[in-house]
Amino acid sequence: QKEVEQNSGPLSVPEGAIASLNCTYSDRGSQSFFWYRQYSGKSPELIMFIYSNGDKEDGRFTAQLNKASQYVSLLIRDSQPSDSATYLCAVRVETSYDKVIFGPGTSLSVIP
Amino acid sequence: SAVISQKPSRDICQRGTSLTIQCQVDSQVTMMFWYRQQPGQSLTLIATANQGSEATYESGFVIDKFPISRPNLTFSTLTVSNMSPEDSSIYLCSVVTGSGSPLHFGNGTRLTVT
Repeated sequence: QKEVEQNSGPLSVPEGAIASLNCTYSDRGSQSFFWYRQYSGKSPELIMFIYSNGDKEDGRFTAQLNKASQYVSLLIRDSQPSDSATYLCAVRVETSYDKVIFGPGTSLSVIP
Repeated sequence: SAVISQKPSRDICQRGTSLTIQCQVDSQVTMMFWYRQQPGQSLTLIATANQGSEATYESGFVIDKFPISRPNLTFSTLTVSNMSPEDSSIYLCSVVTGSGSPLHFGNGTRLTVT
């Protein structure tokens, strides 16, 4: 499987701060990138997807993609304790059946 | 997005037995996948469930251990065969509703093998 790597956690930020989550991938041909949030004991929940270079904003979340550097990030502004979860970066590998590969995840803790 | 129903939600099984997990989607989907999440780990793709044909397995996973069926565009099953404690994991069904679309997940099956 192609590799997807994320910055090692756990990451702790104070409430109201910006949390920055990073991800790199090895398959230069990848075109689709996703961020999932997973609470303990729950299944992953899609929070952002990005297909083009640059920034994509949705509420407090901003995804950033740089295909030349094979880098994708997620910024969470005004972090809340409810944002405490594991964040999974996922990359679609362009094969005949479009499989999606997940990174190891980064655990985020937002301290009140 | 599609509503994905997976069952059972959890089970405790004895080693050497088999468990079949069902995944039902409320609408036709283009792709269905099965993932495994071992304790404290991320998601690992087991296989792509192909409608009407044999599943496409990832490296390290074989059909004899994880037979998969997908008889139509809304339903798939994953069987975990001849289970050992190392098979204790969460098994997740996921779907793609259109080409290039994100994955969406069912609630998962938490399997414990004793």
